[in-house]
Parts: sequence; C-alpha cells; structure tokens
Amino acid sequence: AQSVTQLGSHVSVSEGALVLLRCNYSSSVPPYLFWYVQYPNQGLQLLLKYTTGATLVKGINGFEAEFKKSETSFHLTKPSAHMSDAAEYFCAVKAPKAGTALIFGKGTTLSVSS
Amino acid sequence: EAGVVQSPRYKIIEKKQPVAFWCNPISGHNTLYWYRQNLGQGPELLIRYENEEAVDDSQLPKDRFSAERLKGVDSTLKIQPAELGDSAVYLCASNPGTSGRPSTDTQYFGPGTRLTVL
Repeated sequence: AQSVTQLGSHVSVSEGALVLLRCNYSSSVPPYLFWYVQYPNQGLQLLLKYTTGATLVKGINGFEAEFKKSETSFHLTKPSAHMSDAAEYFCAVKAPKAGTALIFGKGTTLSVSS
Repeated sequence: EAGVVQSPRYKIIEKKQPVAFWCNPISGHNTLYWYRQNLGQGPELLIRYENEEAVDDSQLPKDRFSAERLKGVDSTLKIQPAELGDSAVYLCASNPGTSGRPSTDTQYFGPGTRLTVL
C-alpha cells in the first residue's frame, strides 16, 4: 500500500523568499514520486518526477526536489518565490509498475505576497 | 500537440438526475484514467483503462457510476442518479504506455469537469 502526507495545507511566503513544501510518503515498494501544480480552474501540470537515478530532481519554473529514502521524504523547494508561483501543489506516489495510478496527497496551497 | 480534452467544463444538475462527462486523451496514449477531486483534496482514481479494457475499477461506485472506452480512444464517465456527494471535479488523464509497454510514467491531465449537484 502507498500513501502520501503533505505537511501544511497552506504555506505563505514573501516574493523572493525560499519556498519549501513538504511531502512524506509510505510505500512497500521502491516509489516513483511526483509533484504536480494546479492553478485555479485548470488541470494538473507536472513539475518534476523521481523514478530512478539521481535523487535531486530539477523541474520546471525553477523548482527542485530531493528524494531521501532514509527520511521517506520528497520535499519541493524553490530558492526565490515569484508571484506566479501561487497555486495548489500536490505530491503523488505510484508503484514502479507501468500504468498504475497516482496516489495523491491532500495538497498544499502556496500564497506569495509582495 | 493537443492536450487532454474534457467536456463540459462545468455542469450543474439537480440530485437524482443523470450526467455524463467526456474525455479525449492525447493521441496515441493507450492508458486513460478518471480521477475524482473533492474540494480541498487530492485526486483519487475512479477507473483506469488500457486501450479499451478497464484494468482497475475497484474504486468506481458501480451502483451509480459507469464508464466506457469503446474504441480505445475517447471515454465517457456517467453518473445515474447523481447525489449531493458527487459534487467534485472529475479529471481525466492519459499516459502513452501500458503495463505491457512501459513508458515515461508521466500522466497528462485535462482541465477537468466541475460538477455541482443541487
């Protein structure tokens, strides 16, 4: 069985500040991990993913995440927040078997103030 | 390349009425998913198709929900009759691979259909 816990349903930062969105997972098999972003009234857009290989993964819009197996974490970071980063962020896990569905966390709303 | 297309974008109905949602995945994508996203929650899988076969429908409430993907391309999700608790966003996603032909594991999502049941 797999599950995802996103710590903090709301995160507020100032423009230019570090963004840190936390994600912890539980998985009985080596996980594939994803971060998706959802803007209002839009579908989910993939930010980045970890499958195998390098544990530090870089994604779009300056975001990156690091897979830490010992901590069962996959936190999302961005060095400097931009107003356009305000959105809902979802962490997700899936089994390595191709085609299996994503298991999502409950999401974290990121607010960015000027 | 066109993305995943869903229609309608919004639907308001009264309880006990039927409703249907349509999804056209990215061309060539063999696997299609329907997810339901309740307010303030992450999406949850309802059903997964590989080509025209429903390979995972364990989370689909079969007493009122049905789905089809007759030619292995577009898909329809139906609710009959709708209940107040069905108010949610219904998301469709697609992936080029199948369990027999692995791919990038990236799922591409449509914009969703927001259903309101009154």
